[in-house]
Amino acid sequence: QKEVEQDPGPLSVPEGAIVSLNCTYSNSAFQYFMWYRQYSRKGPELLMYTYSSGNKEDGRFTAQVDKSSKYISLFIRDSQPSDSATYLCAMSDSWGKLQFGAGTQVVVTP
Amino acid sequence: DGGITQSPKYLFRKEGQNVTLSCEQNLNHDAMYWYRQDPGQGLRLIYYSQIVNDFQKGDIAEGYSVSREKKESFPLTVTSAQKNPTAFYLCASMTTTAEGSLHFGNGTRLTVT
Repeated sequence: QKEVEQDPGPLSVPEGAIVSLNCTYSNSAFQYFMWYRQYSRKGPELLMYTYSSGNKEDGRFTAQVDKSSKYISLFIRDSQPSDSATYLCAMSDSWGKLQFGAGTQVVVTP
Repeated sequence: DGGITQSPKYLFRKEGQNVTLSCEQNLNHDAMYWYRQDPGQGLRLIYYSQIVNDFQKGDIAEGYSVSREKKESFPLTVTSAQKNPTAFYLCASMTTTAEGSLHFGNGTRLTVT
């Protein structure tokens, strides 16, 4: 069983809808949680970074961490066609070594 | 602009040949990483280096080798011993003071036939 599970999608939503993404994990020692966005044939770029449990908001993006359930989420409000990409969750228990989910492909249709 | 440069973008090799992928960063980051990305499997760590002249194996190091002679450079050699080398290879760097803030290059797509 993988340490980090993420549904690969694709997830198709109409423009303006809320995109809801999530990952589950098995290692209770994870304490740093990240979401990366990756456009086709490009490297991933960091979207959100959260330490321990709780919510974090940045513009249209909200990241949630529930350590008791070993579950993290990313919400994208007012989705735009430019949000079409693959979203990767990542987490670590210590500095430097991240475990990545498989990535969820998101398609926002005009 | 600061960033990570990977070259070439696309690389084609015949089976049995070694090939070296270039990665250069001008972010002054201490740590550098190599990941492999395959469809449906996310990113898997090949090698990483936290300081010049030192590096550690990641989860899938077999068939790969690296060097770290300069802070800015972390080349990856895919050897003929790697059983399934065709993949998208990503180089990343991180400052030692910011957990999780990996900066990635735009990758090299290696195809071995």
